Amino acid sequence: NAGVTQTPKFRVLKTGQSMTLLCAQDMNHEYMYWYRQDPGMGLRLIHYSVGEGTTAKGEVPDGYNVSRLKKQNFLLGLESAAPSQTSVYFCASSSVEGSTDTQYFGPGTRLTVL
Amino acid sequence: AQSVTQLGSHVSVSEGALVLLRCNYSSSVPPYLFWYVQYPNQGLQLLLKYTSAATLVKGINGFEAEFKKSETSFHLTKPSAHMSDAAEYFCAVGAGYALNFGKGTSLLVTP
Repeated sequence: NAGVTQTPKFRVLKTGQSMTLLCAQDMNHEYMYWYRQDPGMGLRLIHYSVGEGTTAKGEVPDGYNVSRLKKQNFLLGLESAAPSQTSVYFCASSSVEGSTDTQYFGPGTRLTVL
Repeated sequence: AQSVTQLGSHVSVSEGALVLLRCNYSSSVPPYLFWYVQYPNQGLQLLLKYTSAATLVKGINGFEAEFKKSETSFHLTKPSAHMSDAAEYFCAVGAGYALNFGKGTSLLVTP
């Protein structure tokens, strides 16, 4: 079991460029999440999904879009990157609601927007 | 809204000393509470969770936490710190479908 994997591990973008972060899990989990981690801010929820084909906004969704076309994959897109989106992005998954049970985290993607 | 506050962004202990990381919660409903640990350049992994079954919760690597409703606290403890415990620790509360995290406490263990 690879668990939760994230691609890429590092990326540098220029302001205005677009990119997609890929999250994949092999645990057959229904729920998947995207968080961002900034120094002194903890982790903040960007978007989440409660099943294939469904997505919902979290605490800080502006500037991001997501898709869950396959149960095992959860994509996070930045259409026009801004320096404020420089952060470390973590994907997580859980078998039941992540508010009541364990979430499994990927290793993170470190994104820098110049 | 459910939220947690972690007291102290940095905590330093000597190897072998007691570890105490503080977390207070705010919740309008009986909370689900978690402690996660993040080692350098890694993702988060679950240390322990409180789901109302028992107020004293034991986790991995010798950590435990006690849920105290009267104090709205869920502090994390370990009797004897090890060098390998140096990491960032996050308290979190269940909110909606996901978690609200505290800002984290960085634990430094000195020889």
